[in-house]
Amino acid sequence: QMQLQESGPGLVKPSETLSLTCTVSGFSISSSNYYWDWIRQPPGKGLEWIGSIYYSGSTYYNPSLKTRVTISADTSKNQLSLKLSSVTAADTAVYYCARSIVGSSDNWGPGTLVTVSS
Amino acid sequence: QSALTQPPSASGSPGQSVTISCTGVSSDLGNYNYVSWYQQHPGKAPKLMIYEVTKRPSGVPDRFSGSKSGSTASLTVSGLQAEDEADYYCYSYGGSNNWLFGGGTKLTVL
Repeated sequence: QMQLQESGPGLVKPSETLSLTCTVSGFSISSSNYYWDWIRQPPGKGLEWIGSIYYSGSTYYNPSLKTRVTISADTSKNQLSLKLSSVTAADTAVYYCARSIVGSSDNWGPGTLVTVSS
Repeated sequence: QSALTQPPSASGSPGQSVTISCTGVSSDLGNYNYVSWYQQHPGKAPKLMIYEVTKRPSGVPDRFSGSKSGSTASLTVSGLQAEDEADYYCYSYGGSNNWLFGGGTKLTVL
């Protein structure tokens, strides 16, 4: 049974960099044809795709965030990483990692709330 | 690119059918068959209900079905049950390695 678990600071100061890790168990992030997504949801609002990393290491970002986002993978630890720089209050959200194949995210982590505040 | 357009709310009585629409444009939803639908209960992670417009993952009841016509995709829930009350989001490939969510629809079972 595969599981995903997001982790990282729950509070980040404005202008700093948000850093989250997604630990995957029960499935290799190097498995062919799978993407690994980061998706966020501001409190009381809808979902927003942040970006994805393909099993090959290729990355794809939401155009509205691409100047601030970096997604990477550590295959030795079976972990994914999300970094979002120059955060503001608008970046306050629950952040999810998910496994997907051609846009179908079939396994999600429980999400982690990150609040941007001084 | 803008988010896909969904009605903010929908409702139906137990046993009835309800359809939720998701509208894009010809360059995104209208041009690709990579449309999926997610169900989200309060405080929980989204759950995949439909993928590639019409396909159901294992374990999803056949009361849930998807379709697409032009730039509008639809999710139909037949035989509504109390546990179907949730938020529903559509999701589509937007071209140029970009993915788009709809704004979400709150489904109420009366």
